[in-house]
Amino acid sequence: ETGVTQTPRHLVMGMTNKKSLKCEQHLGHNAMYWYKQSAKKPLELMFVYNFKEQTENNSVPSRFSPECPNSSHLFLHLHTLQPEDSALYLCASSQDRASGMQFFGPGTRLTVL
Amino acid sequence: DQQVKQNSPSLSVQEGRISILNCDYTNSMFDYFLWYKKYPAEGPTFLISISSIKDKNEDGRFTVFLNKSAKHLSLHIVPSQPGDSAVYFCAASANAGGTSYGKLTFGQGTILTVHP
Repeated sequence: ETGVTQTPRHLVMGMTNKKSLKCEQHLGHNAMYWYKQSAKKPLELMFVYNFKEQTENNSVPSRFSPECPNSSHLFLHLHTLQPEDSALYLCASSQDRASGMQFFGPGTRLTVL
Repeated sequence: DQQVKQNSPSLSVQEGRISILNCDYTNSMFDYFLWYKKYPAEGPTFLISISSIKDKNEDGRFTVFLNKSAKHLSLHIVPSQPGDSAVYFCAASANAGGTSYGKLTFGQGTILTVHP
């Protein structure tokens, strides 16, 4: 595997379910990001991790819970989501937080019923 | 407050012609700008970037121009090819510091369609 991978690619869940999104980067980077892309809106930054430490939480509701066990892996734990949370969730990585160039995974298309 | 704006939701161009995609920004702290390309069912892929110390950067068929006084950048693709059809996002960051440090702020995207 090369680059940034995300699983699952598609996820349908009910509002009472608990699920997790997984991201893995094979680039040796130290910063990882979660973005949300809703229809007809710009990519919205959710969380930033730099050297496994969370450095940014962009006012994200607590029903989204990130986890970064090491510099290569990033998770987004989901619980009691709302239908308006349906979106494309993108993971990205960069050499470090100061590096402007980020590399993106293919995304997880999430549908909340 | 949207700090990066792409005012054209879509652009249609004939193969072989020039495609010009535009982007405006409001935050004077932005000093690094990028263009990403996104195909359906894929994540954005990096295309070209420019630092604020330059006003032009070229890579093959792709050229990015930066006008700092106007807070405007543009991406020129020439000649355009059908395979260039995708959504193009501009993004900006402030690597020198400030509240936008280490963050990419994206525009809404422009759908480019290149007709054969």
